[in-house]
Amino acid sequence: NAGVMQNPRHLVRRRGQEARLRCSPMKGHSHVYWYRQLPEEGLKFMVYLQKENIIDESGMPKERFSAEFPKEGPSILRIQQVVRGDSAAYFCASSPSTGLPYNSPLHFGNGTRLTVT
Amino acid sequence: DQQVKQNSPSLSVQEGRISILNCDYTNSMFDYFLWYKKYPAEGPTFLISISSIKDKNEDGRFTVFLNKSAKHLSLHIVPSQPGDSAVYFCAASASVNDMRFGAGTRLTVKP
Repeated sequence: NAGVMQNPRHLVRRRGQEARLRCSPMKGHSHVYWYRQLPEEGLKFMVYLQKENIIDESGMPKERFSAEFPKEGPSILRIQQVVRGDSAAYFCASSPSTGLPYNSPLHFGNGTRLTVT
Repeated sequence: DQQVKQNSPSLSVQEGRISILNCDYTNSMFDYFLWYKKYPAEGPTFLISISSIKDKNEDGRFTVFLNKSAKHLSLHIVPSQPGDSAVYFCAASASVNDMRFGAGTRLTVKP
């Protein structure tokens, strides 16, 4: 019963390094969403992807952040030249491809906690 | 721009009593509302939802109430159990890529 799988669970990077966060959606789900949770804050939408397509990246910072969801393999959230302010929990969610998307509750992974030292 | 607000960061109730978690929103375009529950070191899990055409939805011990005129929704848990202790997020959407989450309320149910 594989749910949304995220890895790594914890990632430590020094300032200036790159962080790669991976997300495999639930079986049969072709919509992937990335959210960021800063300390004491709610989940903030970052990007919505379907296979090989970025649908909405309005929540992504304009620089250093990118996301992809290739035809094969997991979705990747990439943060280049990380800074301390990038330290947060990053959650991936997926939803089925059928039905009205906004009526389908999102299924979340357990998140990746990024710490930038 | 916080369109979904949970003004109580924490709530403590006695086992067996009712827990009431509140949520306010500002965007009148929101037409679908959800509650998620989150345990430490885990992702949020969907709990219950309500569409704007209803004012109440019940699922076992959990009931969500929606007051559209006040732009307010609440989650009632009765009777509360220690296993309900978690952070509860309110979410609202007009489309899936516009799902906005509140900051969460940490519920502690004391035995």
